[in-house]
Amino acid sequence: EIVLTQSPGTLSLSPGERATLSCRASQSGSSRYLAWYQQKPGQAPRLLIYGASSRATGIPDRFSGSGSGTDFTLTISRLEPEDFAVYYCQQYGSSPDTFGQGTKLEIK
Amino acid sequence: QVQLVQSGAEVKKPGASVKVSCKASGYTFSSYGISWVRQAPGQGLEWMGWISAYNGDTNYAQKLKGRVTMTTDTSTSTAYMELRSLRSDDTALYYCARGCDGGSCYLDYWGQGTLVTVSS
Repeated sequence: EIVLTQSPGTLSLSPGERATLSCRASQSGSSRYLAWYQQKPGQAPRLLIYGASSRATGIPDRFSGSGSGTDFTLTISRLEPEDFAVYYCQQYGSSPDTFGQGTKLEIK
Repeated sequence: QVQLVQSGAEVKKPGASVKVSCKASGYTFSSYGISWVRQAPGQGLEWMGWISAYNGDTNYAQKLKGRVTMTTDTSTSTAYMELRSLRSDDTALYYCARGCDGGSCYLDYWGQGTLVTVSS
């Protein structure tokens, strides 16, 4: 199975700053079948990005995804207070689907 | 609007079984699949498997094969996940989520989660 490794484990930033989160796959699955989710405490995950770079419905354009093959990035251009949460990547190009271990984005 | 509403929390003893339901509304149920994902306390997300609501095809995580069964009832737009021979490490929040009909997919709508606690 494809193992996804997210880095950093924790990212401490201030509102207004730019956040860059990484997701690296242990092998290349089906190219760009990579999604990103945001999870806040006590809530279900919310889809942000699918197909590596397509924003889900209702997601602000400060969220963007990039990458292909084994290296993917989620960028939040200017952090808003509501963006501080845990972020997970998921690959769905090779069965079984797998998730990364998560990156916690915390307020500095 | 698309909604997935799951059944309530469960407390089970080791060795027992649990069946969690997920009632869908706001879309054509048989046009999508349902995936199940669980999250142990303080941990990350673990994919458990997928079922097609169109034809009942399934794909289960290898570690759960033999203990998990996913089914759907198209007459009530409800998906079910049954997990048997429960162990303490099955204690988790169980989510259903809408995915593609064709198998592995991103998950665009999620249920609120069902807490399953396994304890003697």
